[in-house]
Amino acid sequence: AQSVSQHNHHVILSEAASLELGCNYSYGGTVNLFWYVQYPGQHLQLLLKYFSGDPLVKGIKGFEAEFIKSKFSFNLRKPSVQWSDTAEYFCAVNDADDKIIFGKGTRLHILP
Amino acid sequence: DAGITQSPRYKITETGRQVTLMCHQTWSHSYMFWYRQDLGHGLRLIYYSAAADITDKGEVPDGYVVSRSKTENFPLTLESATRSQTSVYFCATGLAGQNEQYFGPGTRLTVT
Repeated sequence: AQSVSQHNHHVILSEAASLELGCNYSYGGTVNLFWYVQYPGQHLQLLLKYFSGDPLVKGIKGFEAEFIKSKFSFNLRKPSVQWSDTAEYFCAVNDADDKIIFGKGTRLHILP
Repeated sequence: DAGITQSPRYKITETGRQVTLMCHQTWSHSYMFWYRQDLGHGLRLIYYSAAADITDKGEVPDGYVVSRSKTENFPLTLESATRSQTSVYFCATGLAGQNEQYFGPGTRLTVT
C-alpha cells in the first residue's frame, strides 16, 4: 500500500525566507502527486499537481514542486514566503486503488 | 453554484447517539469521499464511493456507515457515536479516484 511521509511537522519561518517542504512516497508505479493547502479555519484547496511531463510543476501563489522519481520525492518550494502563507500543507499521492493518500501535514507559521 | 455543501457545520452529540453528516454536490462528480481530520493524524479516509450504489472502505471505516442512492448525496452516519469520533469531517468529490479532489467546508463534530 502507498504511504506518504512529510518529515517536517511544524516549520517556522520569517517573511521573505525561502521554503522547502519535503514529501516522500513509497509506491513505485505511475504516480499522480498533489500538494494541498489548508488556511486556518478553511477547507483544503489544491496548490498544484503532477500527472506527467515536466517534473517541475508550478502552482498558485508562487509555489512550485519538483518530482524526482529516483528519490520518490515531490518537495514543495517557494522562494520568498509571505505572512499569508501561514497554513497547513498536505502532500498526497495516488494509491494502487482508485483513491489518493494524504500525508500527515506540515504546519507552516510565517513570522511577520 | 454551491459546489460542495456539508451540513451541519457544527454538531455536539452525546455518546451512543446516532448522528448523520450530510454531503451534497452540484458538480455531478463520480467520486465522493469522507475524511476525518485529527491533530497528528492528518487526513484519514473513512469511506469513498465511485458512483451511486458503489461504496468502499477507506483506512478508518469502523463505527461509520455510508450510502449513496443518488450521485449528488453521500451521507455519513455514526451509528453509536463515541468520544474518539470527535473530529472534523470533510467531504470531497472528484472526477476520478486518482485525480484531484474538491473539498467541502467541513463539519466539526464533538461527542460528549
